Amino acid sequence: DTAVSQTPKYLVTQMGNDKSIKCEQNLGHDTMYWYKQDSKKFLKIMFSYNNKELIINETVPNRFSPKSPDKAHLNLHINSLELGDSAVYFCASSRDGGNTEAFFGQGTRLTVV
Amino acid sequence: DAKTTQPTSMDCAEGRAANLPCNHSTISGNEYVYWYRQIHSQGPQYIIHGLKNNETNEMASLIITEDRKSSTLILPHATLRDTAVYYCIVRVANTGGFKTIFGAGTRLFVKA
Repeated sequence: DTAVSQTPKYLVTQMGNDKSIKCEQNLGHDTMYWYKQDSKKFLKIMFSYNNKELIINETVPNRFSPKSPDKAHLNLHINSLELGDSAVYFCASSRDGGNTEAFFGQGTRLTVV
Repeated sequence: DAKTTQPTSMDCAEGRAANLPCNHSTISGNEYVYWYRQIHSQGPQYIIHGLKNNETNEMASLIITEDRKSSTLILPHATLRDTAVYYCIVRVANTGGFKTIFGAGTRLFVKA
Protein backbone atom coordinates (compact mmCIF):
# COMPACT_ATOMS: atom_id res chain seq x y z
CA ASP A 1 0.00 0.00 0.00
CA THR A 2 1.25 3.45 -0.91
CA ALA A 3 1.96 5.47 2.24
CA VAL A 4 1.42 8.93 0.74
CA SER A 5 -0.61 9.02 -2.43
CA GLN A 6 -1.39 11.94 -4.68
CA THR A 7 -3.85 12.28 -7.52
CA PRO A 8 -3.59 13.00 -10.32
CA LYS A 9 -0.01 12.18 -11.26
CA TYR A 10 -0.15 14.43 -14.31
CA LEU A 11 -2.34 17.47 -14.87
CA VAL A 12 -2.38 19.62 -18.01
CA THR A 13 -4.70 22.60 -17.99
CA GLN A 14 -5.21 26.01 -19.51
CA MET A 15 -4.40 29.34 -17.91
CA GLY A 16 -7.22 30.72 -15.84
CA ASN A 17 -8.67 27.35 -14.88
CA ASP A 18 -9.19 26.12 -11.32
CA LYS A 19 -7.80 22.72 -10.37
CA SER A 20 -7.30 20.54 -7.30
CA ILE A 21 -4.67 18.01 -6.31
CA LYS A 22 -5.55 15.45 -3.68
CA CYS A 23 -3.29 13.86 -1.11
CA GLU A 24 -3.92 11.04 1.33
CA GLN A 25 -1.64 9.35 3.83
CA ASN A 26 -2.32 6.03 5.56
CA LEU A 27 0.50 6.30 8.08
CA GLY A 28 -1.54 7.78 10.91
CA HIS A 29 0.62 10.90 10.85
CA ASP A 30 -0.51 14.18 12.36
CA THR A 31 1.37 16.56 10.05
CA MET A 32 1.07 17.01 6.31
CA TYR A 33 2.85 19.30 3.86
CA TRP A 34 2.77 20.63 0.32
CA TYR A 35 6.02 21.33 -1.54
CA LYS A 36 6.60 22.83 -4.98
CA GLN A 37 9.52 21.80 -7.18
CA ASP A 38 10.07 24.17 -10.06
CA SER A 39 11.98 23.75 -13.30
CA LYS A 40 15.26 24.51 -11.52
CA LYS A 41 14.56 21.54 -9.25
CA PHE A 42 14.42 23.52 -6.01
CA LEU A 43 11.98 22.05 -3.51
CA LYS A 44 10.13 24.75 -1.58
CA ILE A 45 7.70 24.25 1.24
CA MET A 46 4.31 25.83 0.67
CA PHE A 47 2.10 24.74 3.55
CA SER A 48 2.12 22.58 6.63
CA TYR A 49 -0.91 21.30 8.53
CA ASN A 50 -0.95 19.64 11.92
CA ASN A 51 -4.16 17.86 12.89
CA LYS A 52 -6.10 19.83 10.29
CA GLU A 53 -4.70 23.16 11.51
CA LEU A 54 -2.50 25.35 9.29
CA ILE A 55 0.89 25.88 10.93
CA ILE A 56 3.14 26.98 8.07
CA ASN A 57 2.16 29.22 5.16
CA GLU A 58 5.17 30.26 3.12
CA THR A 59 4.07 33.44 1.36
CA VAL A 60 2.16 31.53 -1.23
CA PRO A 61 -0.30 33.50 -3.43
CA ASN A 62 -3.81 33.28 -2.08
CA ARG A 63 -4.84 31.57 -5.31
CA PHE A 64 -3.48 28.48 -3.56
CA SER A 65 -5.81 27.20 -0.87
CA PRO A 66 -5.02 24.02 1.06
CA LYS A 67 -7.86 22.13 2.66
CA SER A 68 -7.59 19.40 5.26
CA PRO A 69 -10.92 17.64 5.83
CA ASP A 70 -9.25 15.26 8.28
CA LYS A 71 -5.69 14.61 9.34
CA ALA A 72 -5.21 11.91 6.69
CA HIS A 73 -5.98 14.25 3.81
CA LEU A 74 -4.51 17.52 2.60
CA ASN A 75 -5.80 18.77 -0.72
CA LEU A 76 -4.47 21.69 -2.71
CA HIS A 77 -6.83 23.86 -4.70
CA ILE A 78 -5.45 26.37 -7.17
CA ASN A 79 -7.56 29.15 -8.64
CA SER A 80 -6.89 31.11 -11.83
CA LEU A 81 -3.90 29.05 -12.85
CA GLU A 82 -0.91 30.88 -14.33
CA LEU A 83 1.96 29.69 -16.50
CA GLY A 84 4.32 30.10 -13.55
CA ASP A 85 2.36 27.55 -11.55
CA SER A 86 3.76 24.82 -13.78
CA ALA A 87 5.82 22.59 -11.51
CA VAL A 88 5.83 19.28 -9.69
CA TYR A 89 3.87 19.42 -6.45
CA PHE A 90 4.76 16.99 -3.68
CA CYS A 91 2.66 16.10 -0.71
CA ALA A 92 4.37 14.75 2.42
CA SER A 93 3.52 13.68 5.92
CA SER A 94 5.34 13.18 9.20
CA ARG A 95 4.39 11.76 12.57
CA ASP A 96 4.42 15.24 14.04
CA GLY A 97 5.85 18.65 13.25
CA GLY A 98 8.98 18.02 15.28
CA ASN A 99 12.15 16.10 14.56
CA THR A 100 10.71 13.17 12.65
CA GLU A 101 11.24 12.12 9.08
CA ALA A 102 8.83 13.07 6.32
CA PHE A 103 7.41 10.66 3.79
CA PHE A 104 6.76 12.06 0.34
CA GLY A 105 4.27 11.19 -2.35
CA GLN A 106 5.29 10.61 -5.94
CA GLY A 107 4.37 14.09 -7.05
CA THR A 108 1.87 15.72 -9.37
CA ARG A 109 3.30 17.26 -12.50
CA LEU A 110 1.18 20.32 -13.29
CA THR A 111 1.54 21.92 -16.71
CA VAL A 112 -0.31 25.14 -17.41
CA VAL A 113 -0.61 26.02 -21.10
CA ASP B 1 17.18 29.97 2.59
CA ALA B 2 18.87 26.65 3.13
CA LYS B 3 21.36 26.55 5.99
CA THR B 4 23.58 24.00 4.27
CA THR B 5 26.13 23.94 1.43
CA GLN B 6 26.97 20.87 -0.61
CA PRO B 7 29.05 20.15 -3.70
CA THR B 8 27.02 20.35 -6.87
CA SER B 9 27.92 16.87 -8.09
CA MET B 10 30.05 13.84 -7.31
CA ASP B 11 30.98 10.58 -8.99
CA CYS B 12 31.42 7.22 -7.33
CA ALA B 13 32.37 3.81 -8.67
CA GLU B 14 29.86 1.04 -8.18
CA GLY B 15 30.66 -1.03 -5.10
CA ARG B 16 32.77 1.69 -3.49
CA ALA B 17 31.78 3.91 -0.61
CA ALA B 18 30.18 7.21 -1.50
CA ASN B 19 31.06 10.01 0.93
CA LEU B 20 28.86 13.08 0.57
CA PRO B 21 29.95 16.15 2.55
CA CYS B 22 27.77 18.93 3.89
CA ASN B 23 28.58 22.19 5.65
CA HIS B 24 26.16 23.67 8.15
CA SER B 25 28.27 26.16 10.04
CA THR B 26 25.31 28.18 11.39
CA ILE B 27 23.49 25.20 12.87
CA SER B 28 21.92 25.82 16.27
CA GLY B 29 22.26 23.52 19.24
CA ASN B 30 18.82 21.96 18.93
CA GLU B 31 18.72 21.62 15.14
CA TYR B 32 19.02 18.18 13.60
CA VAL B 33 20.78 17.30 10.36
CA TYR B 34 18.65 15.32 7.91
CA TRP B 35 19.52 13.62 4.66
CA TYR B 36 17.06 12.88 1.88
CA ARG B 37 17.57 11.78 -1.66
CA GLN B 38 15.53 12.18 -4.81
CA ILE B 39 15.82 9.65 -7.57
CA HIS B 40 14.79 11.01 -10.95
CA SER B 41 11.05 11.70 -11.22
CA GLN B 42 10.31 10.36 -7.76
CA GLY B 43 9.44 11.99 -4.46
CA PRO B 44 12.23 12.66 -1.95
CA GLN B 45 13.14 9.69 0.22
CA TYR B 46 14.30 9.98 3.83
CA ILE B 47 17.71 8.46 4.51
CA ILE B 48 18.91 9.32 8.00
CA HIS B 49 19.09 12.10 10.58
CA GLY B 50 21.13 12.97 13.67
CA LEU B 51 21.83 15.61 16.26
CA LYS B 52 25.41 15.16 17.38
CA ASN B 53 26.19 11.47 17.59
CA ASN B 54 27.07 9.39 14.55
CA GLU B 55 24.14 7.40 13.25
CA THR B 56 23.82 4.26 11.14
CA ASN B 57 20.86 2.51 9.59
CA GLU B 58 20.30 0.00 6.81
CA MET B 59 20.78 2.65 4.14
CA ALA B 60 23.69 4.78 5.29
CA SER B 61 25.88 6.21 8.02
CA LEU B 62 25.93 9.81 9.17
CA ILE B 63 29.10 11.26 10.62
CA ILE B 64 28.72 14.63 12.36
CA THR B 65 31.80 16.58 13.41
CA GLU B 66 32.24 17.39 17.06
CA ASP B 67 31.55 21.10 16.48
CA ARG B 68 28.48 20.08 14.40
CA LYS B 69 29.45 22.48 11.63
CA SER B 70 29.69 19.76 9.03
CA SER B 71 28.64 16.20 8.37
CA THR B 72 29.21 13.37 5.90
CA LEU B 73 26.72 10.88 4.57
CA ILE B 74 28.30 7.54 3.75
CA LEU B 75 26.75 5.00 1.42
CA PRO B 76 29.02 2.02 2.19
CA HIS B 77 28.63 0.12 -1.09
CA ALA B 78 27.12 2.35 -3.75
CA THR B 79 25.02 0.75 -6.48
CA LEU B 80 23.76 2.17 -9.76
CA ARG B 81 20.36 2.64 -8.11
CA ASP B 82 21.94 5.09 -5.66
CA THR B 83 22.33 7.63 -8.47
CA ALA B 84 20.22 10.53 -7.24
CA VAL B 85 20.27 14.05 -5.83
CA TYR B 86 21.18 13.96 -2.14
CA TYR B 87 19.92 16.76 0.10
CA CYS B 88 21.50 17.70 3.39
CA ILE B 89 18.99 19.64 5.48
CA VAL B 90 18.93 21.41 8.79
CA ARG B 91 15.38 21.64 10.04
CA VAL B 92 14.61 25.18 11.10
CA ALA B 93 12.37 25.80 14.07
CA ASN B 94 9.27 27.74 13.15
CA THR B 95 6.24 28.87 15.06
CA GLY B 96 4.19 25.74 15.56
CA GLY B 97 6.72 23.36 14.09
CA PHE B 98 9.83 22.83 12.00
CA LYS B 99 10.44 23.64 8.36
CA THR B 100 12.40 21.31 6.13
CA ILE B 101 14.20 23.65 3.75
CA PHE B 102 15.83 21.93 0.80
CA GLY B 103 18.94 23.34 -0.84
CA ALA B 104 20.30 22.47 -4.27
CA GLY B 105 21.71 19.13 -3.12
CA THR B 106 24.53 17.00 -4.53
CA ARG B 107 23.93 15.04 -7.69
CA LEU B 108 25.63 11.68 -7.16
CA PHE B 109 26.49 9.63 -10.23
CA VAL B 110 27.33 6.00 -9.52
CA LYS B 111 29.23 4.53 -12.43
CA ALA B 112 29.75 0.89 -13.38
